Amino acid sequence: LAKTTQPISMDSYEGQEVNITCSHNNIATNDYITWYQQFPSQGPRFIIQGYKTKVTNEVASLFIPADRKSSTLSLPRVSLSDTAVYYCLVGDLGGSYIPTFGRGTSLIVHP
Amino acid sequence: GAVVSQHPSWVICKSGTSVKIECRSLDFQATTMFWYRQFPKQSLMLMATSNEGSKATYEQGVEKDKFLINHASLTLSTLTVTSAHPEDSSFYICSARDARTGLQPQHFGDGTRLSIL
Repeated sequence: LAKTTQPISMDSYEGQEVNITCSHNNIATNDYITWYQQFPSQGPRFIIQGYKTKVTNEVASLFIPADRKSSTLSLPRVSLSDTAVYYCLVGDLGGSYIPTFGRGTSLIVHP
Repeated sequence: GAVVSQHPSWVICKSGTSVKIECRSLDFQATTMFWYRQFPKQSLMLMATSNEGSKATYEQGVEKDKFLINHASLTLSTLTVTSAHPEDSSFYICSARDARTGLQPQHFGDGTRLSIL
């Protein structure tokens, strides 16, 4: 099971772009990278998922270098409502995937 | 999109009571669901893997007689906290995914806040 490492916390200001990097040095060939957002007293919410290169959706972008040993979640122009904990998970979605959480990154967006 | 519903969202009960939490996949079938526990300011900790039609697989340190899991259908898994005590107070979260349709991500319920007095 690929272990993930993220910064414990980050601070930003409204309107800025925020990049959160996750290290997963022992990622396996069949593993995908998935990012979740969690607000207090709520379950994690899916943000974005990818395997390699770049993935973009309406809320975020995910950058994955060629060696796939890390990934970066990019949140464009954050707002106060983006204050949350962000988790990256790595696993084989095509196999017996057991989603395991690391410590996550607590992002605080300031006015 | 795929939705996982969890019920109840909030429970307060006396010590010694057993509490049942339901997790439903609303628009897909899930042969596997997962149960997590989360304490304040901490990450989600996997408790067990719920397998439809068979016994759950518990993580090390999780008492299977304390946390009973039943996955009787492809859309419903239940977690029963038996004879709950104050130390069982926590935020319980379930997850599931539609494994039939390709590389789908896990979706999570909104959690159940359990408070034991």
